[in-house]
Amino acid sequence: GQNIDQPTEMTATEGAIVQINCTYQTSGFNGLFWYQQHAGEAPTFLSYNVLDGLEEKGRFSSFLSRSKGYSYLLLKELQMKDSASYLCAVSLNTPLVFGKGTRLSVIA
Amino acid sequence: GAVVSQHPSRVICKSGTSVKIECRSLDFQATTMFWYRQFPKKSLMLMATSNEGSKATYEQGVEKDKFLINHASLTLSTLTVTSAHPEDSSFYICSAQTSGGAGMFDEQFFGPGTRLTVL
Repeated sequence: GQNIDQPTEMTATEGAIVQINCTYQTSGFNGLFWYQQHAGEAPTFLSYNVLDGLEEKGRFSSFLSRSKGYSYLLLKELQMKDSASYLCAVSLNTPLVFGKGTRLSVIA
Repeated sequence: GAVVSQHPSRVICKSGTSVKIECRSLDFQATTMFWYRQFPKKSLMLMATSNEGSKATYEQGVEKDKFLINHASLTLSTLTVTSAHPEDSSFYICSAQTSGGAGMFDEQFFGPGTRLTVL
């Protein structure tokens, strides 16, 4: 089966940096996605990694190591609006397999 | 980015009735659409993959006779929950996939979701 692990919950302070880790063991790999999901809303795309290394996009960066089956999402200069669930998803050919998500709470 | 709509956003129905949820890609054609369900504080679970003009591919454990999927056009897929029961209450989300072209990934765009409550 497919297995994607993320921490369930994290708390961080406004203005700080937080790293959300994701490890995966899957039968294939066509890339790794990070999505942000606010409660009761659909996920929105944050980043995509298919090659090893760091992808930076504004305050958000995502890292991938395919040999280790490991990725992280880095959020800098945290804002209150960043409080949400962050979903790690692995692409296996077409459908995405999602991790359970990490619920991030940003506190003042 | 591409826009995907879902209708209705919320529905409350009595046990035993059927509910139809529509998923539309508004500004692009989607040969493939996906249906997910999500329980509170849980991850998205893929229910089925819907390809335009062909039968949907259901994930293991998903009853195809209970969750009827129709993908009649490149911009519309429907999910019908037949004879709904309280345990079918969930957040149902669709996504539509674009073709990224050479060197690009095929991105999925998600609809806003439909919250189904079965009394």
